[in-house]
Amino acid sequence: GQQLNQSPQSMFIQEGEDVSMNCTSSSIFNTWLWYKQEPGEGPVLLIALYKAGELTSNGRLTAQFGITRKDSFLNISASIPSDVGIYFCAGRNYGGSQGNLIFGKGTKLSVKP
Amino acid sequence: NAGVTQTPKFQVLKTGQSMTLQCAQDMNHNSMYWYRQDPGMGLRLIYYSASEGTTDKGEVPNGYNVSRLNKREFSLRLESAAPSQTSVYFCASSGSFEAFFGQGTRLTVV
Repeated sequence: GQQLNQSPQSMFIQEGEDVSMNCTSSSIFNTWLWYKQEPGEGPVLLIALYKAGELTSNGRLTAQFGITRKDSFLNISASIPSDVGIYFCAGRNYGGSQGNLIFGKGTKLSVKP
Repeated sequence: NAGVTQTPKFQVLKTGQSMTLQCAQDMNHNSMYWYRQDPGMGLRLIYYSASEGTTDKGEVPNGYNVSRLNKREFSLRLESAAPSQTSVYFCASSGSFEAFFGQGTRLTVV
C-alpha cells in the first residue's frame, strides 16, 4: 500500500533554532497537508499545499509541495517552547486507498528554553 | 464553530463490554474517518466513509464496526472490548482537500 516516510522521527533543539522536517513517498499526491498535535489534543491543520512547487507560509512556518509531487517539507524558523508537539504530514491521492488520505508517522519536536 | 465533535472524551471499559464512539461534523463534508493512535505508531486508519451510505476498511479494522448514520455522523462500535483496544481514537472529516480532526476519545480497556 501507499506509505509516507516522515523524518526525522524526533528532534531536540534549542529555542531560537530553525527546524526542518520532510515527507517522501513513492506515490504521487495531489495535496499535501501538515498538522501539529499537542499533548491531549487532536491534530490541528497548519498548512495545506495544492500544487507542485507551491511554497506557503503561516507565520514562522513554511511548507513546500515538491516538484515531483512525491515529497514535501516543513520548516519552522526561530523555534519557541510552544512549538513543542508532534508534526504530521499527510498526502491526498484521489482514487487511492485509505480514503485517499495517507499520514506519516510524525516528527516529535522538543524545544529547550 | 464546532467542526468535528467526538463523544465521550474519556472512557474506561471492562474486557468484553461494548460501546459506541460518536462523531459529528458540521462542515458538510462527504468523507469521514476513524483513526487510532498508540505511542510510537502514529495514526492508523480503522475505517473510513467516502460518502453517506458507504464505509470501507482501513489498516486495522478487526474488532470494530462503523455506521455512517447520515452525512453528519459517523460512529465507531466496539462489540467486545479487549485490552489491545486501549488507545486514543480520533475522528476526522474531509471535503475535497483539507481534513479536520476531533479532540479524541481516550479509551482504556481493563
